[in-house]
Amino acid sequence: QVQMVQSGAEVKKPGASVKVSCKASGYTFTSYGISWVRQAPGQGLEWMGWISAYNGNTKYAQKLQGRVTMTTDTSTSTAYMELRSLRSDDTAVYSCARDYSVDTTMPGYWGQGTLLTVSS
Amino acid sequence: EIVLTQSPGTLSLSPGERATLSCRASQSISSSYLAWYQQKPGQAPRLLIYGASSRATGIPDRFSGSGSGTDFTLTISRLEPEDFAVYYCQQYGSSPITFGQGTRLEIK
Repeated sequence: QVQMVQSGAEVKKPGASVKVSCKASGYTFTSYGISWVRQAPGQGLEWMGWISAYNGNTKYAQKLQGRVTMTTDTSTSTAYMELRSLRSDDTAVYSCARDYSVDTTMPGYWGQGTLLTVSS
Repeated sequence: EIVLTQSPGTLSLSPGERATLSCRASQSISSSYLAWYQQKPGQAPRLLIYGASSRATGIPDRFSGSGSGTDFTLTISRLEPEDFAVYYCQQYGSSPITFGQGTRLEIK
């Protein structure tokens, strides 16, 4: 079965960077893209971007352009999301999600989420 | 970007009742690329409906989706206790992908 397992919780200071990992299993990694979505405490879902695990093409949310980088390592079936210049309003649960099918970019299979706390 | 507005913000119903949740888009969503997710506290979202009306794998048939263009609906025919949660619509037809603000379905 499809599983997306993320790295553990992080605490960072403002201005720092964080890199969250998402290890996939149960399917052919390069056949599907992966989205990253975040959810601030008590708030709704915010799409951060998407990466093709086939060729590394990316799409990022405009508000995060320049601060976020999404990558994949096909040798370990792992996706990464790096966020730089952290601010307190980056405090959120960050989730990766595999495309539901090969012909859409719709998140279908989600990781368990990684809590990022940004605080001085 | 396409803005999705969900209504109502909170819906209070009893088990066994029918729930109707609405999602309106600021512009037409191409090819009905509209999905619905259910999220319970402390859990990841769960895909319920994609393509406006197709149920995802393993989703009970009491969940149904309808609509096209700018107006979409999620219907839960007879509420079970485990259905009380927050529901989000999402469009994936154009970039950026966007979500509605959510509808909280609570037990009356």
